[in-house]
Amino acid sequence: GAVVSQHPSRVICKSGTSVKIECRSLDFQATTMFWYRQFPKQSLMLMATSNEGSKATYEQGVEKDKFLINHASLTLSTLTVTSAHPEDSSFYICSATPGPQGHGYTFGSGTRLTVV
Amino acid sequence: AQSVTQLGSHVSVSEGALVLLRCNYSSSVPPYLFWYVQYPNQGLQLLLKYTSAATLVKGINGFEAEFKKSETSFHLTKPSAHMSDAAEYFCAVSFQGAQKLVFGQGTRLTINP
Repeated sequence: GAVVSQHPSRVICKSGTSVKIECRSLDFQATTMFWYRQFPKQSLMLMATSNEGSKATYEQGVEKDKFLINHASLTLSTLTVTSAHPEDSSFYICSATPGPQGHGYTFGSGTRLTVV
Repeated sequence: AQSVTQLGSHVSVSEGALVLLRCNYSSSVPPYLFWYVQYPNQGLQLLLKYTSAATLVKGINGFEAEFKKSETSFHLTKPSAHMSDAAEYFCAVSFQGAQKLVFGQGTRLTINP
């Protein structure tokens, strides 16, 4: 079945530094990838949709310059949290789909980011 | 407006009892519907999905869900709960014309021995 690998699973960084999270589709080409943020005991909040070879579409209220998304290939999307601050600490999850709506969405295992 | 609602943020059942987790959506056109399970500090695992084929969908781990257009519902059930079913469950919807998934608020399922 479709597998999405997300790395790292946990990262601790200092305030002001940047952190990159990778999301890879291992056995299929993902034309579209999604990035979510999840606060403790809450649901997933969609941050942005990235399509291979084009700029990401950000949801309302998500800072484009803070959360940089790159989808340079059909198997890799990256989320970079720039100039991280403690309030950026959260659980970030990516998902990918090979294409047609409703076909299926596979999720990565998530990244726990802690900014100290 | 298009939305998805899970009734009950926390459901507690006894081991062996019926599990019923509720999900309703708001849309004039039937969407694609999904149920996911999340264990602590992990990603989401697909339990089952409805994509306009059979209205009764069978998933993994003994779960199933029935799409009822008249009630705009897609409730998740399992006849007999197991301790390993304790987790967070999310109903998600992909509305027609949009690729992104919209998630419900989630329901935490607790199983009592």
